[in-house]
Amino acid sequence: EAEVAQSPRYKITEKSQAVAFWCDPISGHATLYWYRQILGQGPELLVQFQDESVVDDSQLPKDRFSAERLKGVDSTLKIQPAELGDSAMYLCASGPRQVTEAFFGQGTRLTVV
Amino acid sequence: GENVEQHPSTLSVQEGDSAVIKCTYSDSASNYFPWYKQELGKRPQLIIDIRSNVGEKKDQRIAVTLNKTAKHFSLHITETQPEDSAVYFCAASIGRALTFGSGTRLQVQP
Repeated sequence: EAEVAQSPRYKITEKSQAVAFWCDPISGHATLYWYRQILGQGPELLVQFQDESVVDDSQLPKDRFSAERLKGVDSTLKIQPAELGDSAMYLCASGPRQVTEAFFGQGTRLTVV
Repeated sequence: GENVEQHPSTLSVQEGDSAVIKCTYSDSASNYFPWYKQELGKRPQLIIDIRSNVGEKKDQRIAVTLNKTAKHFSLHITETQPEDSAVYFCAASIGRALTFGSGTRLQVQP
């Protein structure tokens, strides 16, 4: 069964440092999402891509977060500089074009110290 | 934007009993309503979904109902088993990204 791949699984970083997460969606999925999940809460959308284009980044803190999907396949989410409040699970999901289903990766658990 | 409220936040049932989790949504244009199960430290997994042109959908022991007039939908799990213990999230979409509820922690007591 095809799965969304994410790396790393865990990341510990000091505040003010830069950190990056990588996501490889299910092959053929045009839509890619980055969500942030704080412990005990539901996932919250950070950014949505359709192919290589950003569809929605209204909730992305653009002063410190950036996301790209240059070739419309894999994607990178970056935080610079990291803050203590960024500690969370960062989940990537992908879905087929024109369909709303989202399939999640295992996530990257970020701890900022 | 869309707002999804979910309750209860925690639910404890005896093995074999039924469990019901309820969600309400705010945007009447929402047309897709999935449910995810998330076990500790694992990814959210899609377990069932329903679209706005359907009132009920079943898959073995789980079922989802949708009331568009009242803007609420529910997850029903029958004959619960210990392996059903997890956090369950509802979500809603108007055709783009999902908006999630806050989750229900289900504990099935053996």
